[in-house]
Amino acid sequence: EAGVVQSPRYKIIEKKQPVAFWCNPISGHNTLYWYRQNLGQGPELLIRYENEEAVDDSQLPKDRFSAERLKGVDSTLKIQPAELGDSAVYLCASSPAGTSGGNEQFFGPGTRLTVL
Amino acid sequence: DAKTTQPPSMDCAEGRAANLPCNHSTISGNEYVYWYRQIHSQGPQYIIHGLKNNETNEMASLIITEDRKSSTLILPHATLRDTAVYYCIVRVTSGTYKYIFGTGTRLKVLA
Repeated sequence: EAGVVQSPRYKIIEKKQPVAFWCNPISGHNTLYWYRQNLGQGPELLIRYENEEAVDDSQLPKDRFSAERLKGVDSTLKIQPAELGDSAVYLCASSPAGTSGGNEQFFGPGTRLTVL
Repeated sequence: DAKTTQPPSMDCAEGRAANLPCNHSTISGNEYVYWYRQIHSQGPQYIIHGLKNNETNEMASLIITEDRKSSTLILPHATLRDTAVYYCIVRVTSGTYKYIFGTGTRLKVLA
């Protein structure tokens, strides 16, 4: 079974430029998560989707960050414009459902963003 | 939100048991304890989870105290490949089903 796929794996951009990350979750997983992980810290949830609906985006900086999951399968996270403080690893995860107490999350390898 | 406290780092000799502690003194009655690990340059990997009872799977054992305020992850025979950052997470179940990651314990298994 293929795992969570993310691309690109690495991205280097100048500040104020836009950037987009793509995630393809495990087939059949309804719930998709985007996390940001700063150096030396644990991942922090940005947004959670149940199918195509964003059910928790309270931690997403909406002035510059946006996300979509149009057909309830793959998802894109965008930053426009990027700032120096956005340098981090962006992780995508999926799980079969978000409402059960016992479902594990499957994480992708992440995209390491460097903003210069 | 419930939070966890873990030692920042631990060492363990290869072949010995690694016991990783976690404090979660503000955990609520319906909140699960999860353990994940993250090997360098990879995404976190699920290890085990539990609510009240001790749990065991092919990777590890999870011991949760009776008052649920702390737990211990046990890797029975640590190998060099177990070197990673281990996260103890309390999974909120009141609507958001959110994982709250701490900074984890960096486990180094020594040859």
